[in-house]
Amino acid sequence: NAGVTQTPKFQVLKTGQSMTLQCAQDMNHNSMYWYRQDPGMGLRLIYYSASEGTTDKGEVPNGYNVSRLNKREFSLRLESAAPSQTSVYFCASSRTATGSHQPQHFGDGTRLSIL
Amino acid sequence: DQQVKQNSPSLSVQEGRISILNCDYTNSMFDYFLWYKKYPAEGPTFLISISSIKDKNEDGRFTVFLNKSAKHLSLHIVPSQPGDSAVYFCAASARDTGANSKLTFGKGITLSVRP
Repeated sequence: NAGVTQTPKFQVLKTGQSMTLQCAQDMNHNSMYWYRQDPGMGLRLIYYSASEGTTDKGEVPNGYNVSRLNKREFSLRLESAAPSQTSVYFCASSRTATGSHQPQHFGDGTRLSIL
Repeated sequence: DQQVKQNSPSLSVQEGRISILNCDYTNSMFDYFLWYKKYPAEGPTFLISISSIKDKNEDGRFTVFLNKSAKHLSLHIVPSQPGDSAVYFCAASARDTGANSKLTFGKGITLSVRP
């Protein structure tokens, strides 16, 4: 009963390097989300995918790209990492996107440090 | 512009007593509210939610109250237990024609329950 699985759990990058954060869910959810959490800032939405084949920008999309590979997987890519992207990244999923509210279920996060 | 506000960064209560965590919102379009609990090095875990058509929702020791006129909600934990010590996030969602499961989070409040 894995739920939402994120890999890797920790990563250190140098400025300018690229990296892809992976996320997979096994709950047959339609919608998936990427957040970042910074001290004193709560969780901020980076990108989301309402359903397979669609992606949209959230509150803080600059410097990131996403790919909804299939219904299970939603990846987040940093093309040229910057120190301001040092954060904890959370992936989440929810059952439905349109017409009703459903709680989101979160992975345990990826702790990313950029030097 | 912070649409979901948790103005108290921390709360300390004695085991067995009531914990009351407060949350205010500014967006009148929000119609679904959630509380998440987060332990260190883990992802947020869904705790309880309430729709705007209700003013109270209860689940075991946890009760959420919603005052729409004041744009205020609160989470009551009775009785508080040391295992409740965590960061609690308030979140809200507005129904729209798109991916309306997007959540807006508050900054969180750290609850400490003293044995």
